[in-house]
Amino acid sequence: DADVTQTPRNRITKTGKRIMLECSQTKGHDRMYWYRQDPGLGLRLIYYSFDVKDINKGEISDGYSVSRQAQAKFSLSLESAIPNQTALYFCATSDVRGGRGDNEQFFGPGTRLTVL
Amino acid sequence: GQQLNQSPQSMFIQEGEDVSMNCTSSSIFNTWLWYKQDPGEGPVLLIALYKAGELTSNGRLTAQFGITRKDSFLNISASIPSDVGIYFCACPTNQAGTALIFGKGTTLSVSS
Repeated sequence: DADVTQTPRNRITKTGKRIMLECSQTKGHDRMYWYRQDPGLGLRLIYYSFDVKDINKGEISDGYSVSRQAQAKFSLSLESAIPNQTALYFCATSDVRGGRGDNEQFFGPGTRLTVL
Repeated sequence: GQQLNQSPQSMFIQEGEDVSMNCTSSSIFNTWLWYKQDPGEGPVLLIALYKAGELTSNGRLTAQFGITRKDSFLNISASIPSDVGIYFCACPTNQAGTALIFGKGTTLSVSS
């Protein structure tokens, strides 16, 4: 079974709709992240969470919100989707134990979101 | 802001050839990471570099952390078709404390 799972894997929605992308992990990691990937732009950080009570904005948080429901679950919401939020979205986790901090992140398989 | 400049943007090579790609920045980083993304999958960590000048290998892959701490390169020897994918360099961002910034990626195509 995959350590980091994302649902849905694909989603098509319309402008103005509220969308939630979910991420679950069985790795026991404290830290979780949401990134978006656009062709030719690499991955950009949206939000990250160090634990259930600690949530931080990343480079491109406008238009997004997150919820850390439990150590193992981190959801990303688009309150009112717009076409330029069409992208591939990745969840990732990392573990601070072992002294390497967040440097080694483990990614889910991604959610392909299309906003029409 | 901090940026990682990765080159080349894409490469088309024959099976068996060696490959070299690099990543540079105007900022100093204490860690350089190399990830690979297979088509339809999330990125997977290949090599992590934690010390300036460090040279680390993982099978046919070799990566080096530049002495200036502003660059890194990744070499792949004797490429095979399964090397196809997008290769990203990444570094922890000082501003966010511990989250990563990524280069834009090098897309590798291998013909047999």
